[in-house]
Amino acid sequence: GAVVSQHPSRVICKSGTSVKIECRSLDFQATTMFWYRQFPKQSLMLMATSNEGSKATYEQGVEKDKFLINHASLTLSTLTVTSAHPEDSSFYICSASLGQVRSFKPQHFGDGTRLSIL
Amino acid sequence: DQQVKQNSPSLSVQEGRISILNCDYTNSMFDYFLWYKKYPAEGPTFLISISSIKDKNEDGRFTVFLNKSAKHLSLHIVPSQPGDSAVYFCAAAEWDKLIFGTGTRLQVFP
Repeated sequence: GAVVSQHPSRVICKSGTSVKIECRSLDFQATTMFWYRQFPKQSLMLMATSNEGSKATYEQGVEKDKFLINHASLTLSTLTVTSAHPEDSSFYICSASLGQVRSFKPQHFGDGTRLSIL
Repeated sequence: DQQVKQNSPSLSVQEGRISILNCDYTNSMFDYFLWYKKYPAEGPTFLISISSIKDKNEDGRFTVFLNKSAKHLSLHIVPSQPGDSAVYFCAAAEWDKLIFGTGTRLQVFP
């Protein structure tokens, strides 16, 4: 079945560091990728929608300059948390889709990245 | 404002019995719903989906029911197995994005 690979699985770094997270679709071309954030015992919150070859669409309240998204190919999207601070510590998960949800193709998720900012 | 709600944070069921997980939503524009299963430190795994043109969809041990008038859907797992123990999220589609509920932790005991 479809597989989405997310790397790294865990990052621990100092405040002020920029962190890049990669999301790859391994056996299919993903026209759309999504980035989510999950706080402990809470829901997955959509941060942004990334479409190959175009700018990402950010959800309300998500800082574009803080969370940089690049979707340079049909198999790779990256999320860069710039100048990370302790409040950015969270579980970040990406997903990939063959098309829009209404075409009844479910999103497939990576295993997530646990980001801890000291 | 939580548009998708799972009011039961946890559920405990004996092996072999039925597990029923519930989900309520507020936005009548949602017309496509999904259930995902999640283990700790892993991403969600897609289980089953249903569109508003149906009121039931079945896949093996998993059945999803949709009641549009009540804005309610449920996931039935029969028979429940210990390997089903995980957190279950329902999600509703709003155009090209998913809105997730807060999850229900299911524990299936022998």
